[in-house]
Formats: sequence, C-alpha cells, structure tokens
Amino acid sequence: GAVVSQHPSRVICKSGTSVKIECRSLDFQATTMFWYRQFPKQSLMLMATSNEGSKATYEQGVEKDKFLINHASLTLSTLTVTSAHPEDSSFYICSARDRGKSYNSPLHFGNGTRLTVT
Amino acid sequence: DAKTTQPTSMDCAEGRAANLPCNHSTISGNEYVYWYRQIHSQGPQYIIHGLKNNETNEMASLIITEDRKSSTLILPHATLRDTAVYYCIVKGGGFKTIFGAGTRLFVKA
Repeated sequence: GAVVSQHPSRVICKSGTSVKIECRSLDFQATTMFWYRQFPKQSLMLMATSNEGSKATYEQGVEKDKFLINHASLTLSTLTVTSAHPEDSSFYICSARDRGKSYNSPLHFGNGTRLTVT
Repeated sequence: DAKTTQPTSMDCAEGRAANLPCNHSTISGNEYVYWYRQIHSQGPQYIIHGLKNNETNEMASLIITEDRKSSTLILPHATLRDTAVYYCIVKGGGFKTIFGAGTRLFVKA
C-alpha cells in the first residue's frame, strides 16, 4: 500500500530555535500534501495545504511566517517551525494524496512527529 | 463539507463485531463517507470509504443508509489492537479532510 514517511518521529529543541520536519511519499507522487497538528486528547487540526511547485495555503489562524512549508518535489514536503516556543509543542502529522488516483481517493498519513520545545 | 456526529466512546468485547455509527444528515450528492482510525501516538490509518453503496474490504464493512444520512462502520471480529479513535469524515472530491472528535473504541478482553 501507499506509504508516507515522516522524519523525525520525535524531536526536542530549545526555545527560539527552528525545527524542520520532512514528509515523503515513498511509492507514489503527491501534488498535494497536508499538514496537521494535534494537541493531547484533541483531534487533528488542519494547518496548511502544501502544493508542489507553488505556495502553501494556510488555514485561518495559522501563521505562515512561523510554519514554513516547502513542497519542492512530488515526493517531499517539509514543515519548518521557526523560533519555536513551548506552546508549539505538539504532534505534527502530514498526509498525502496519490496524484495518480481520483480526487475522491483517501489520504495516506505519516506516523507523526512529536515536537517538544523546552 | 457536511458535518458528522459520532458517539464519544464505545466498548466492544474482543471477538465480537464492533458497530460504529455516524450521522451525516446534511451530506450532499457528491460527498463521500470516509473512515479513518488513529491508534494512540500514531498517524491516522485509512479504513474504508463509499458514496452510496455498501463497501467491504479486508479491514471492515461500511453500511450507508439509502438516504445517505447515516452510516455504520463494522469491524466484524474486533481485537484488542482495534482499540483506537475512529473518525467518520464526509467530503467531496478535492476538498480538505477535516477531522471531528471521532469515537473512542475500547475493545475489552
């Protein structure tokens, strides 16, 4: 089946530093990838839609200058949390849709990145 | 996208069928019903989806009512590893996948 690899799975960083999270589709190409954030005991919240070769689209309330998204190829999207603060500590999850399938095809999710900012 | 309503939590005995309901009374004609689940500290896993016909795969069955206003996900023989949060999502093609609160299923030995 379609596999989405997310790296790293866990990261601890100091306040004020930046962290990059990678999301790769391993056996399919993805024109569009999605980034979610999940706080403890809550559901997933969509942060942004990553489009290959163009700018990401951010959901209302998500700071685009803080959460930098780059989708440079059909198999890789990256999320950089800039100047991280403790309140950015969360579980970040990416997903992708196979560009070879219809728009109704389901998303494939990575296993998430647990970010802890100290 | 249409909103969905799911029970907050459910219990199921191991080996028995788990029937998870979902109401989506405002679903429109071109919107599909999708089910995902999330096991603790992992990314969501796709289970099944359908438009109006009942669907079955190796993981589960999806029963959609004739008026499409509700559906049921059936795990035929639940195991302890099926303990997870199950999300019912309704959306049209090309639209964003928005997660609700889901149903927390506890499978008990």
